Amino acid sequence: DAGVTQSPTHLIKTRGQQVTLRCSPKSGHDTVSWYQQALGQGPQFIFQYYEEEERQRGNFPDRFSGHQFPNYSSELNVNALLLGDSALYLCASTVGRSGNTIYFGEGSWLTVV
Amino acid sequence: AQSVTQPDIHITVSEGASLELRCNYSYGATPYLFWYVQSPGQGLQLLLKYFSGDTLVQGIKGFEAEFKRSQSSFNLRKPSVHWSDAAEYFCAVGVPNFGNEKLTFGTGTRLTIIP
Repeated sequence: DAGVTQSPTHLIKTRGQQVTLRCSPKSGHDTVSWYQQALGQGPQFIFQYYEEEERQRGNFPDRFSGHQFPNYSSELNVNALLLGDSALYLCASTVGRSGNTIYFGEGSWLTVV
Repeated sequence: AQSVTQPDIHITVSEGASLELRCNYSYGATPYLFWYVQSPGQGLQLLLKYFSGDTLVQGIKGFEAEFKRSQSSFNLRKPSVHWSDAAEYFCAVGVPNFGNEKLTFGTGTRLTIIP
């Protein structure tokens, strides 16, 4: 049983560019969340998708957007990249009912130069 | 809004010694509580979780944690650490929300094991 898988593993982008990160949730999971983890910090919640809709959002600007597909996989898009967007981006999945375990992927390392 | 405090940024423990990592949370009711471990360059692995019931929770790799409502704490313990336990440990809080839970993490505690 595959866990949460993310791609790409590492990538380098230039300021002002756009990036798309991808996530496949654990089998049977229908809810996907994205977190940003800056170096030396704990992860911070970006947003959550369920039934292809953004269900809740953290304190991130509109440059951060996402999408969930009918097969529950998800994308995170970041436009107009800033140096401060350099971080590990983690995808988490769970079953969309209260009290279920949240599983994380290995993350995508984004470096903005 | 909920918050999590991990007061110890870095802890060094001798191999075979006992370990306790502190976690305090702020929330008006009983939240869901988690401990995750992160090895360098890796994602987060769930060690254990508390939703309700018995306040002493057993996890993987010999870890346990105790929920103390009166102290708003959820400290992680292990009776005897191994060199492979060296990693970053994160405590997290989830507000029960009918499956809509989002996690609020502490800043983490880095654990170093010395021989």
